[in-house]
Amino acid sequence: GAVVSQHPSWVICKSGTSVKIECRSLDFQATTMFWYRQFPKQSLMLMATSNEGSKATYEQGVEKDKFLINHASLTLSTLTVTSAHPEDSSFYICSARGTGYHEQYFGPGTRLTVT
Amino acid sequence: QKEVEQNSGPLSVPEGAIASLNCTYSDRGSQSFFWYRQYSGKSPELIMSIYSNGDKEDGRFTAQLNKASQYVSLLIRDSQPSDSATYLCAVKRNGNNRLAFGKGNQVVVIP
Repeated sequence: GAVVSQHPSWVICKSGTSVKIECRSLDFQATTMFWYRQFPKQSLMLMATSNEGSKATYEQGVEKDKFLINHASLTLSTLTVTSAHPEDSSFYICSARGTGYHEQYFGPGTRLTVT
Repeated sequence: QKEVEQNSGPLSVPEGAIASLNCTYSDRGSQSFFWYRQYSGKSPELIMSIYSNGDKEDGRFTAQLNKASQYVSLLIRDSQPSDSATYLCAVKRNGNNRLAFGKGNQVVVIP
């Protein structure tokens, strides 16, 4: 149980284009989902917290107009990186927490390369 | 003071030995504690959760929590080469959505 999927697992895009990453909880309902970014050999960095049906809460320093988050259902959240730049190249990981639970389960991550 | 601190690594242990990882946290209001394992290039995987003082065992893993001293530890018994990874300590306060992560401890199990 507690499986979280992400799609795509990797993506290469050109500078200036937008990329959408999907995060799904496959076997549980997730009221809350989280989006993280991790650069090589660095710690996880929380970007934003999304609750189903409401606006995401962004961490300080994260541009909400650049990283659009939509949590349209209890099993799906999406992150859209708009007008991507090479410095946005990173490992993006979502996690989800089941309604009423404390544990957070991570998806397998999406490796984004912007050329 | 950082929310969650893990002692610096990497930790090298011979195969079959016990690996011991420690983590301290600053917020006394923290109620939920987790250990994640992260292999290089992969996402974190939840391996243990603990909520009350004492020990919790799951297979070769034992988590220990001491709220009075504000530390949580992870023991890996009979360490295997497949245990070589970075172990992340994470702490959650009740009523707070987010997890606070430590920087992680790299464990290297030497065959």
